[in-house]
Amino acid sequence: EGQLVESGGGLVQPGGSLRLSCAASGFKLTDFWMYWVRQAPGKGLEWVARLEGVGSTIGYADSVRGRFTISRDNARNTLYLQMSSLRVDDTAVYYCARDFRYLGLDPWGQGTVVTVSS
Amino acid sequence: QSVLTQPPSVSAAPGQKVTISCSGSDSNIGIDYVSWYQQFPGTAPKLLIYENNRRPSGIADRFSASKSGTSATLVITGLQTGDEADYYCGTWDRSLNDVVFGGGTKLTVL
Repeated sequence: EGQLVESGGGLVQPGGSLRLSCAASGFKLTDFWMYWVRQAPGKGLEWVARLEGVGSTIGYADSVRGRFTISRDNARNTLYLQMSSLRVDDTAVYYCARDFRYLGLDPWGQGTVVTVSS
Repeated sequence: QSVLTQPPSVSAAPGQKVTISCSGSDSNIGIDYVSWYQQFPGTAPKLLIYENNRRPSGIADRFSASKSGTSATLVITGLQTGDEADYYCGTWDRSLNDVVFGGGTKLTVL
């Protein structure tokens, strides 16, 4: 079925950087589109970035374009989100998720908390 | 302001039926598949419905969904207290070239 486990969250000052990891098991990342989705405290879901499985097509939400980079290590079967120039409004729980079928995202990781604060 | 519009909250009694609407436009729901997610506090979202009306294995048939034009609807029958959660719709918007979600609906089972 597949499982995703995120790590790398933490407290960072505004302007700082952080790299999130999402380790996949039970399936190959290269077989699926993969997504990062975040949820600010008390708010709804917001798409952040996506990476095509077979090819290398990448997409970013306007709110993070130019600051965040999504990538993948095929050997480690791990998805990454490199975040730089972090802002207070980037504070959220960050989830990675697999595109099961036509943007039906499943499974999701457990989430990793990113707090941007001075 | 979410691209997809959901009611902030709905409520119904145990055993009853509830519907949650998701309103979009010609550039998203009107031309693409809709998914629905269930999220309990402090946990990750869970896929309930994909491709407008299909349930992943393990999802109870009390959960169903449909799409008509630029709107989609999630229906939950035989409500249980354990269904109390936030529900989100999602799809692709071809004008924005973005994944879009509704703002979420909090279900209360009275």
